[in-house]
Amino acid sequence: DAGVIQSPRHEVTEMGQEVTLRCKPISGHNSLFWYRQTMMRGLELLIYFNNNVPIDDSGMPEDRFSAKMPNASFSTLKIQPSEPRDSAVYFCASSFGTNNQPQHFGDGTRLSIL
Amino acid sequence: AQKITQTQPGMFVQEKEAVTLDCTYDTSDQSYGLFWYKQPSSGEMIFLIYQGSYDEQNATEGRYSLNFQKARKSANLVISASQLGDSAMYFCAMSFISSGSARQLTFGSGTQLTVLP
Repeated sequence: DAGVIQSPRHEVTEMGQEVTLRCKPISGHNSLFWYRQTMMRGLELLIYFNNNVPIDDSGMPEDRFSAKMPNASFSTLKIQPSEPRDSAVYFCASSFGTNNQPQHFGDGTRLSIL
Repeated sequence: AQKITQTQPGMFVQEKEAVTLDCTYDTSDQSYGLFWYKQPSSGEMIFLIYQGSYDEQNATEGRYSLNFQKARKSANLVISASQLGDSAMYFCAMSFISSGSARQLTFGSGTQLTVLP
């Protein structure tokens, strides 16, 4: 079975550029989560969707960050304009249902903003 | 507010021995889940084991078991017969209901486990 698929695996870009991270959740999962991981702050939840609807985006750091989920099999996280402090590993995770089901993570996107 | 505490930033264990990674949590919810994830140096997050707050038996998955003590609010991970491949960062996490009745996870700061040959 395919797991959560994220692309790209690595992204290096210059400050000010737009960055788009992509995620395909596990088929049948109806909750999708975007996380950011840094040494300083650990794993932070940025936003999550339930049945394609954004439920809580209070973790999104600034208006430069936006996320969409146009259908059940695709989500994007966009940073525009990017800044060096956005450098981190960004994870997408998905889970099924609203009970205590585990979240399954993608391999992450390692983002470096120069 | 929900909180997960992992007090061991780093742990060492000899190969083939058992090791316990500590996790305590704080919540006012009656229904919650506790999870452990493994993050090797390659970076991926791997789900290991789950314990529900109403489960009376401790969860087990192969060499992993979860020592759940509800009254003490602890959910320690026990790895038996450690292998070199177990060297990784281990995160404890707890689910809680947020707005919209969907569950979020809150993560601890992690424990870096090193298995010595």
